Amino acid sequence: AQSVTQLDSQVPVFEEAPVELRCNYSSSVSVYLFWYVQYPNQGLQLLLKYLSGSTLVKGINGFEAEFNKSQTSFHLRKPSVHISDTAEYFCAVSVVGGNQFYFGTGTSLTVIP
Amino acid sequence: DAGVIQSPRHEVTEMGQEVTLRCKPISGHNSLFWYRQTMMRGLELLIYFNNNVPIDDSGMPEDRFSAKMPNASFSTLKIQPSEPRDSAVYFCASSLSGRAYEQYFGPGTRLTVT
Repeated sequence: AQSVTQLDSQVPVFEEAPVELRCNYSSSVSVYLFWYVQYPNQGLQLLLKYLSGSTLVKGINGFEAEFNKSQTSFHLRKPSVHISDTAEYFCAVSVVGGNQFYFGTGTSLTVIP
Repeated sequence: DAGVIQSPRHEVTEMGQEVTLRCKPISGHNSLFWYRQTMMRGLELLIYFNNNVPIDDSGMPEDRFSAKMPNASFSTLKIQPSEPRDSAVYFCASSLSGRAYEQYFGPGTRLTVT
């Protein structure tokens, strides 16, 4: 079975500071990894995805994530956050060749002016 | 493309009433997913369809929930009778078949059952 753990439920950070949102996964088979962002009162939007190849993945809005197979992690980072980055962030895993997503419980990022 | 369309955006109903949520996937997408989001349980997959056929409904909480996809451009999620614990945001998502890793989500329907 697959599972995703987001270690921090809430992350407050000052504007222009760096941020890291942590995600660990558990799976006995190969997986794809994703980060989604949900702005208030909106649906989920794909931020970035890791399917194969380079372990450093760049996404929209200046975010990037690094796949670490040995640590089964896929942490999301941004070197300098903006007020507009305030949102809920979800890490998700999908089994290669499968049709299901398994979502983490989400991390609420609040950027403080 | 207009993206995934869901209606209504907000629904308030009384316990015991029937509720129908609607979804129009992105044109050309042949996989469709229904999710439920609550504070307590996070984002849960309820059911997904491939080429209009339900593939996995193991996430449907109980018999009060049913989902249909009569054609490639329309799906419904029905709750009958509704209960207060069904209050949640329900999302619909779609993708190309075999590319479930690239799901596009609708804006969601916020359901409140009083």
